[in-house]
Amino acid sequence: NAGVTQTPKFQVLKTGQSMTLQCAQDMNHEYMSWYRQDPGMGLRLIHYSVGAGITDQGEVPNGYNVSRSTTEDFPLRLLSAAPSQTSVYFCASRGQGSQETQYFGPGTRLLVL
Amino acid sequence: TQLLEQSPQFLSIQEGENLTVYCNSSSVFSSLQWYRQEPGEGPVLLVTVVTGGEVKKLKRLTFQFGDARKDSSLHITAAQPGDTGLYLCAGTDYKLSFGAGTTVTVRA
Repeated sequence: NAGVTQTPKFQVLKTGQSMTLQCAQDMNHEYMSWYRQDPGMGLRLIHYSVGAGITDQGEVPNGYNVSRSTTEDFPLRLLSAAPSQTSVYFCASRGQGSQETQYFGPGTRLLVL
Repeated sequence: TQLLEQSPQFLSIQEGENLTVYCNSSSVFSSLQWYRQEPGEGPVLLVTVVTGGEVKKLKRLTFQFGDARKDSSLHITAAQPGDTGLYLCAGTDYKLSFGAGTTVTVRA
């Protein structure tokens, strides 16, 4: 099993550009989520999904869109990048129970100029 | 505003010393998880504590969940350089709420 994979590892954008961060998991997990990590802030939930076709907002959803057309994939779209979106982004997946182990991807480092 | 407060923010100790990291909240959680994150990688789950007053041991790491299920601690005995990393606590109420983390450095 590859676990949770994320692409790209690094990305530099100019303000106003759009892009999609890819996330895939091969563990047949229903629950997937996106976090951003900033210094001194821990991990903050952006969006999450409890299954294909179902998504919901987390703590900091503004400026981001998600979709879940398959169980395996959960892409995160930045509609119009802003310098405030410079961060490290982590995708995670787990089984349905809230006490299940959550597996994180290696992260995508995004710099918006 | 962080739902979970971790202290201290930074901790630097000598190899062989003991350390304790604290995680406190005003909210009750159904369970609490501890993760360790190394530079350039995603967090990795260390333990989940579920019952108020529960104590779990993982080799030299001891995790405790408060009786009221609002706080937790992580104690490392005889720390080693391999224990260096960012330690994060997360409260589970279906979604995870993370603390800001404690950066632990163990000097050889």
